Amino acid sequence: AQSVTQLGSHVSVSEGALVLLRCNYSSSVPPYLFWYVQYPNQGLQLLLKYTSAATLVKGINGFEAEFKKSETSCHLTKPSAHMSDAAEYFCAVTYTDKLIFGTGTRLQVFP
Amino acid sequence: GAVVSQHPSRVICKSGTSVKIECRSLDFQATTMFWYRQFPKQSLMLMATSNEGSKATYEQGVEKDKFLINHASLTLSTLTVTSAHPEDSSFYICSARNVAEETQYFGPGTRLLVL
Repeated sequence: AQSVTQLGSHVSVSEGALVLLRCNYSSSVPPYLFWYVQYPNQGLQLLLKYTSAATLVKGINGFEAEFKKSETSCHLTKPSAHMSDAAEYFCAVTYTDKLIFGTGTRLQVFP
Repeated sequence: GAVVSQHPSRVICKSGTSVKIECRSLDFQATTMFWYRQFPKQSLMLMATSNEGSKATYEQGVEKDKFLINHASLTLSTLTVTSAHPEDSSFYICSARNVAEETQYFGPGTRLLVL
């Protein structure tokens, strides 16, 4: 069965600093892979989706992710953090019709 | 983009009553919708898969008689929490699968508080 590991339950950065959120998946076959963001008391918003068409995927709000098959990873990055980026971020892969979620990473941004 | 709505956004009810939560896909048809439960500071837990025109598929440990799911149209799924108890208090989130995009889009969630 598929599994997703997000390293670091909490990440703190200063405003303007690089954001790096890590995600590794278990399957050797590149799946559909998603990054979602959740703001407090809200649902999940799709940041980006990887579908094997390209290894670097650009998402909304300046985020992007690089898919590395050899490392079974798809880390999420943003060059310059903004205060409004503070939220919970979830990595997920598809397994049949379902989504398998990581445990999430809470991003804090300090002024 | 794809928009999924949920209603109500917040509900408070007395123990023993039933609560219905609606999930609608507003700009695409969804033969498959999903219901999740989220505990504070945790990831989403899949409760069930809602299939249009057929019975829902429940995850292990989820009581199908307690969490009734109906998916009567291609844009609407409902979750009814029957005889709610305080331990059912949680954040419930639905998603709708856009087949053409192979992507699940999520609703804004419903906060249920059972007194």
